Amino acid sequence: DGGITQSPKYLFRKEGQNVTLSCEQNLNHDAMYWYRQDPGQGLRLIYYSQIVNDFQKGDIAEGYSVSREKKESFPLTVTSAQKNPTAFYLCASSIVGGLAGAYEQYFGPGTRLTVT
Amino acid sequence: GIQVEQSPPDLILQEGANSTLRCNFSDSVNNLQWFHQNPWGQLINLFYIPSGTKQNGRLSATTVATERYSLLYISSSQTTDSGVYFCAAGRLNFGNEKLTFGTGTRLTIIP
Repeated sequence: DGGITQSPKYLFRKEGQNVTLSCEQNLNHDAMYWYRQDPGQGLRLIYYSQIVNDFQKGDIAEGYSVSREKKESFPLTVTSAQKNPTAFYLCASSIVGGLAGAYEQYFGPGTRLTVT
Repeated sequence: GIQVEQSPPDLILQEGANSTLRCNFSDSVNNLQWFHQNPWGQLINLFYIPSGTKQNGRLSATTVATERYSLLYISSSQTTDSGVYFCAAGRLNFGNEKLTFGTGTRLTIIP
């Protein structure tokens, strides 16, 4: 089955600890994205990557870090510098857009992070 | 960046009714998607529709790119249609494309 997996589904951490969220895709997509959703809000882009070993900041990158060592994987680390880390985190992937146009993004099931 | 506005923010309907959800965007776009977020948070792709009209069963969508809006139609609503519907728009910029989401329309279908 092709798709995007995120783990874990729920994550609890103490304030001051870094935590890494996993995102894996087997759709052979080049582009991957991380979004954050707060209650009653839309999604906001944290980081995105269009190719291995390269990534760009989104609209709310402060307090987060990513890596893209493999095409299939795009882990997100929520660092202790992120002031309000409790949120629902969603990973997405797509074919890379270009002269032919943009392409549809597909989403994983998400990870709910609670920091106390 | 692109601004995306959705209306109405909340909609409560009786089962069997029809509904229209609107999405306005502030600039020309290369990508326009409609999603349904289920109670578990999963975003389900409904339509990829930067322009034109598409239909899928009881759902259809129309994007008028020149006037910068998109409409999602749900006919003969069922209780399983309940949830939050998001519109997201994106514009290619030097090969990079970022989606901007609206704040959603929460649809509640009453049996």
